Amino acid sequence: QVQLVESGGGVVQPGRSLRLSCAASGFTFIDYAIHWVRQPPGKGLEWVALTSFDGGNHYFADSVKGRFTLSRDNSKNTVFLQMNSLRPEDSGLYFCAKPQHPRYSSTWYMVGVDIWGPGTMVTVSS
Amino acid sequence: QSALTQPRSVSGSPGQSVTISCAGTSSDVGRYDYVSWYQHHPDRAPKLIIRDVDKRPSGVPDRFSASKSGNTASLTISGLQAGDEADYFCYSYAGNYIYVFGTGTKVTVL
Repeated sequence: QVQLVESGGGVVQPGRSLRLSCAASGFTFIDYAIHWVRQPPGKGLEWVALTSFDGGNHYFADSVKGRFTLSRDNSKNTVFLQMNSLRPEDSGLYFCAKPQHPRYSSTWYMVGVDIWGPGTMVTVSS
Repeated sequence: QSALTQPRSVSGSPGQSVTISCAGTSSDVGRYDYVSWYQHHPDRAPKLIIRDVDKRPSGVPDRFSASKSGNTASLTISGLQAGDEADYFCYSYAGNYIYVFGTGTKVTVL
């Protein structure tokens, strides 16, 4: 069964850091990029970041650029989102998600995602 | 990049049809045929119900249909059922590794 599970969320003070993990199973992990998407309380979804299949290329939303970084360990089927200098507006439910197409497809980076994790909650508050 | 605009809520009685719009721009919905729709029940992972504007993944009932005209995409749920009560949101690629989601629509089955 294709599955993604996020972990690492919690309550943190503004300015502090948090590292989220996304553990994958049920598919060939190295063939897929991974997205991070967040949902602030009571609001819509916001795309946060994308790591390529090999972790060699990362892309970030302007709102987190310079503060968040990505890494992945393909030997452990896991992607990490390092969140630094956290702000209250970073609070929300953080999802990782798998693109519909694998890296072999020329459209892997354009298509939407098909599998999401259940999310992990991040609360930035003093 | 601004979020795609969806109505905050729509409602219908069992058996009826509801349509959710997803308004974008010529830089996202209007430019790319990579529009997806997701169903999200609270405390569950979102579920893909439409990909590539109007294609249903395997296992999604044909009560769910979608289309696109210009800069606006639409999702129609026919034969509304109690289990359809959820949040629905759209997605579009917006170029240059920019991805936009809709503001989300709560579907209520009366």
